[in-house]
Amino acid sequence: KQEVTQIPAALSVPEGENLVLNCSFTDSAIYNLQWFRQDPGKGLTSLLLIQSSQREQTSGRLNASLDKSSGRSTLYIAASQPGDSATYLCAVRQRENRDDKIIFGKGTRLHILP
Amino acid sequence: EAQVTQNPRYLITVTGKKLTVTCSQNMNHEYMSWYRQDPGLGLRQIYYSMNVEVTDKGDVPEGYKVSRKEKRNFPLILESPSPNQTSLYFCASSPRDDSYAGELFFGEGSRLTVL
Repeated sequence: KQEVTQIPAALSVPEGENLVLNCSFTDSAIYNLQWFRQDPGKGLTSLLLIQSSQREQTSGRLNASLDKSSGRSTLYIAASQPGDSATYLCAVRQRENRDDKIIFGKGTRLHILP
Repeated sequence: EAQVTQNPRYLITVTGKKLTVTCSQNMNHEYMSWYRQDPGLGLRQIYYSMNVEVTDKGDVPEGYKVSRKEKRNFPLILESPSPNQTSLYFCASSPRDDSYAGELFFGEGSRLTVL
């Protein structure tokens, strides 16, 4: 059974620093991996999606990488800003025969210190 | 505007009183899914549907029902709600066509309290 882990659960960094959030998964047979941002009490906003055949995706200050063989993905945030404070979630999608399941990590709560 | 719409956004009910949370998407997505989010447990999949009249259980389906009679709608039904179903619920949809890479889009969430 696929398990998705995000470490650390919480992270505080000063404004302006570059940072890396980690996501690991136990079964490398994935269809895609998606990173989301969630503000308190709000819905999930998609940040980046990496297909299983891709190694990385970039959007602005964000870069996500995927290493299927080691079961890892990282989300790199450059030049962090207070507005980046939120919970970041990764989700792994698996499509096999009739199944099409999406499994989430528990998230990393990020706080950027002004 | 492309969106996933859930209703109601907030609901307080009592044990045993049947309720339905609606979910509608306007992106012609084949795949729709329901999740619940609880502190310390993260997001867990309740049910999903790969197309009209096709539904499958996720990780926590007990106490819930779903139906997919139309492509755009995927209601979540709690026949006899209990306090342990107090949670934040999210509906999501995505295309299944490989050319769209299966990106998942979420609704704003429905906060349910069962007394």
